[in-house]
Amino acid sequence: SYVLTQAPSVSVAPGQTATITCGGDNVGRNSVHWYQQKPGQAPVLVVYDDTDRPSGIPERFSGSNSGNTATLTISRVEAGDEADYYCQVWDSDSDHYVFGSGTKVTVL
Amino acid sequence: EVQLLESGGGMVQPGGSLRLSCAASGLDFRMYVMTWVRQAPGKGLEWISVISGSGYNSYYAASVKGRFTISRDNSKYTMYLEMNSLRVEDTAVYYCAKVNGPLAGRSSRFDSWGQGTLVTVSS
Repeated sequence: SYVLTQAPSVSVAPGQTATITCGGDNVGRNSVHWYQQKPGQAPVLVVYDDTDRPSGIPERFSGSNSGNTATLTISRVEAGDEADYYCQVWDSDSDHYVFGSGTKVTVL
Repeated sequence: EVQLLESGGGMVQPGGSLRLSCAASGLDFRMYVMTWVRQAPGKGLEWISVISGSGYNSYYAASVKGRFTISRDNSKYTMYLEMNSLRVEDTAVYYCAKVNGPLAGRSSRFDSWGQGTLVTVSS
């Protein structure tokens, strides 16, 4: 089955840039979607189709995807961005959705 | 505004059964693929099942295949998850989520989520 790998944690100071990666075999051939989940809350879609943002998501959230790595970038990080972030793809070989293992972003 | 409300969670003994429901509003329910995602305590998100808008097609993660059954009643705007032969490792918050369109596929993502319902499997 298809596997997406994420680093367990990332720490960033307020105002700096957080970079969250999602590794997978030729993941650049997939559309990658990203979710933010704060403690005790349901996930929220923050980036879809590699680079697009749903309405209401700040421009500070951006994405890219190429080769074996997809990336979610959070610019000008704020305390409210502290959360777990998950990448997700559709695996057409298995007709399954796949989530990455998640990255906890800590704002110092 | 799309709203999804899960219900039916609770505590059950290993080997027992439970049926979860997901009531939807604010959308033309039959037009959307729907899915279940779970999250064990302190763990990440795990996709477990998806059902087409018509209800004719469904897929399952290997961890639940043969034990869980997804279904929907479009007249009631409700999706279900019948869970049998429950195991301790099925303990999790179960979320229902709406997929962005009528078909699962490459651009398929979860654009609305319920708040989840907790299932605890314990003796």
